[in-house]
Order: sequence, then structure tokens, then C-alpha cells
Amino acid sequence: DTGVSQDPRHKITKRGQNVTFRCDPISEHNRLYWYRQTLGQGPEFLTYFQNEAQLEKSRLLSDRFSAERPKGSFSTLEIQRTEQGDSAMYLCASSRSPISYNSPLHFGNGTRLTVT
Amino acid sequence: ELKVEQNPLFLSMQEGKNYTIYCNYSTTSDRLYWYRQDPGKSLESLFVLLSNGAVKQEGRLMASLDTKARLSTLHITAAVHDLSATYFCAVERYNNNDMRFGAGTRLTVKP
Repeated sequence: DTGVSQDPRHKITKRGQNVTFRCDPISEHNRLYWYRQTLGQGPEFLTYFQNEAQLEKSRLLSDRFSAERPKGSFSTLEIQRTEQGDSAMYLCASSRSPISYNSPLHFGNGTRLTVT
Repeated sequence: ELKVEQNPLFLSMQEGKNYTIYCNYSTTSDRLYWYRQDPGKSLESLFVLLSNGAVKQEGRLMASLDTKARLSTLHITAAVHDLSATYFCAVERYNNNDMRFGAGTRLTVKP
């Protein structure tokens, strides 16, 4: 169990630029989640995948956001035309399906995005 | 819409004291989770509570769940500095399989 890994750890970008984050889940986990966390708040659900299928998207996920999980392994989260309000920590988590006593969400260390 | 509320949001306590953090949620759910987050780090799973009346203990922390009251508590006994962190409760949306988090309780334990 190597844990959930996210790349990059930090990203600074100018407003209007596009950014892409990557998440590699724990290998045997077929569920993958994206959350966003702003300072002083709990994580907010964005979207989740079961294998390669994106099963749910939050209202928070505007048209500028897109997530993919090709082949049901790693996932990418892209933000187009970034805005200052997008500045946050983006957390990826994985679990076996379904979430259970033996398989809570396991979180990565996150990607901190700063939009200037 | 499922809402999760924690209180207090900030807690400063002396070493050796006891205190309780509360987590209320707005809709029926049988599964509640507690996570710990250290500054700059990711979330670490502490407890998973799966049924009404469930109680879990690990060291100086004890978590309980009352699904009828839609309330979970995290009790801290004889606090030590190492417990300083932010604690989140999260409620699973049954049949939706994602979790909604409270805003967190930032705990500072002072010597």
C-alpha cells in the first residue's frame, strides 16, 4: 500500500491559464474522489469515479472543470481559464467500492493551487 | 441537502483536561467518520461509526454515534499536546457513496 499520490504538490498560475492535476489512487481501489478544501473549511465534494465511469458531479464543478479517469487507474482534474476563486487545496481520495468499515476514504496529500 | 455542522470550530485547552467535540447532521445516515488533519498534511482516518450506539476508542479519543439524534461526539480525555490538529467529522450519503464533511474543529492543546 503506497498510498494515494498527487502531483504536483503546489501550483501557482496566472488567472486565465489552464491547469491539470494528477492523482494515482491505491492500486486495488476502484473508487476515486476529488474534493476541494479552502482555508478553514472541510473538504467539499467535487466528483467521483467508479473505475473509469464518472458517477456524480457536484454543482461546485462548473463547466471550466473536467475530470477523467481513463482505464480506471489514475485520474486528472483540469481547470480551464482559472479564476482567483479557484485557489484551494485539491484533494484526491480513493476507496474500495463501496465505502465501508474496512475501507474509508484514503486521502492524498493534495495539490495546492494559487491563482494570481 | 445533507449538512454537517461541527462545534466548536476552535478549541484551546490545557493539557490534562477533558473536552467534547460535537457533530450534527441533517439527514438520515448510518455511517459517520472522524478524520484528523495536521497543518499542511492530508486527512487521516480515525474512526468509522456504522450503527446507532456505536462507540470506538483509540488512546485518548473516543467517538460515539446517535443516529436518532443525528449526533456524533468526539471526546478527548486528558489532552496532550500531540492531539493538536484539526478534526473533521464526515457523513456518508447512503446510496450515494460520497461523504460530506463538517467545517472542522481546530484543537490546540497548551502545556
